[in-house]
Amino acid sequence: GENVEQHPSTLSVQEGDSAVIKCTYSDSASNYFPWYKQELGKRPQLIIDIRSNVGEKKDQRIAVTLNKTAKHFSLHITETQPEDSAVYFCAALGGSGNTGKLIFGQGTTLQVKP
Amino acid sequence: GAVVSQHPSRVICKSGTSVKIECRSLDFQATTMFWYRQFPKQSLMLMATSNEGSKATYEQGVEKDKFLINHASLTLSTLTVTSAHPEDSSFYICSASYGGLTEAFFGQGTRLTVV
Repeated sequence: GENVEQHPSTLSVQEGDSAVIKCTYSDSASNYFPWYKQELGKRPQLIIDIRSNVGEKKDQRIAVTLNKTAKHFSLHITETQPEDSAVYFCAALGGSGNTGKLIFGQGTTLQVKP
Repeated sequence: GAVVSQHPSRVICKSGTSVKIECRSLDFQATTMFWYRQFPKQSLMLMATSNEGSKATYEQGVEKDKFLINHASLTLSTLTVTSAHPEDSSFYICSASYGGLTEAFFGQGTRLTVV
């Protein structure tokens, strides 16, 4: 079945440094890749997404890259701030026919130290 | 963005009883909604796809007779956890989207505790 692998599971950086989280997916038909930030006990919040016809997308301090051939995509956060501390999930839109079924990675707990 | 509302946010029930969780799309119609379960410090695991006017599609390993899903209208899907046991205690969360390659909007989630 569809699978999304995410690494690392935990990431600790100093404030101002960059953070990179990587994901791989198994379903070559996947064509939409969102990234979510989730704070404890709350719903996931979309922070950035990318579609398969694009290789890179940037929104201020956040960027996502996609390599469809290798089935890899990555989240890059620059100039990290303590408020970036949270759990981050990558996801891939799985299933045929654009059913909207998202398959999530295992999550990365990011800690930004002041 | 669109709003998806989930109710209740927290529920405590006794073992053996049933609990119903509602998921509503407040400002758009959703022919498809999704139900996820999230255990502490784990990822969101898709349980089932809720289809308006037809039967839900369950993921492998999810008991359809235990997790009853009803999607009677374009704005409401319900998940009923039947004969709940302590191991069903978890964070249940729904999502809906406009369809296609678009953002999924999540409900607030429901923290279920079975005692």
